[in-house]
Amino acid sequence: GAVVSQHPSRVICKSGTSVKIECRSLDFQATTMFWYRQFPKKSLMLMATSNEGSKATYEQGVEKDKFLINHASLTLSTLTVTSAHPEDSSFYICSARGPGNQGTQYFGPGTRLLVL
Amino acid sequence: GENVEQHPSTLSVQEGDSAVIKCTYSDSASNYFPWYKQELGKGSQLIIDIRSNVGEKKDQRIAVTLNKTAKHFSLHITETQPEDSAVYFCAASNTGTSYGKLTFGQGTILTVHP
Repeated sequence: GAVVSQHPSRVICKSGTSVKIECRSLDFQATTMFWYRQFPKKSLMLMATSNEGSKATYEQGVEKDKFLINHASLTLSTLTVTSAHPEDSSFYICSARGPGNQGTQYFGPGTRLLVL
Repeated sequence: GENVEQHPSTLSVQEGDSAVIKCTYSDSASNYFPWYKQELGKGSQLIIDIRSNVGEKKDQRIAVTLNKTAKHFSLHITETQPEDSAVYFCAASNTGTSYGKLTFGQGTILTVHP
């Protein structure tokens, strides 16, 4: 149980285009999901906290108009990188907070974004 | 906010040896401490976690210890195998605030040589 999927796993796009990444909790409902960014050989950086039915909470320094987050259902959150530029190239990982108030987060497999 | 420091950044051991990774945290209100394993190009897999009401937890070859007074916790892997080679991240959170968001350590690259 507690499986989180991400789609796509890898995407290459041209500069200026927008890219949508989906995060799904497959066998549990997640009112809270988190979006992280990871640079090579670095730790996970929290970008935003996504709550079902409400606006996402962004970490300091993360542009909310650049990284649009939608959490329309209890099993799906999406991250849209708008007008992507090469510096947005990174590994994006989502996690879903498990049932109850235990704090456990289950991570998706990540999405590798390359902006040309 | 919370700050988590993790050491060492790299760890190389021979197959069968033990490996220990240590983390310290700054916020005494943190009450949940998970450890994640990340293989190259993949997402992070929860391998073990511990809560502040427990001092030690073990799952087969993996154990975690927590010292609340000193604000540090450690991951212990015994009888290491080559497939244990990966990047390991510790994290800390206060499950009662900010939706329990995790603060991660810097990661440890573990290499187990056959």
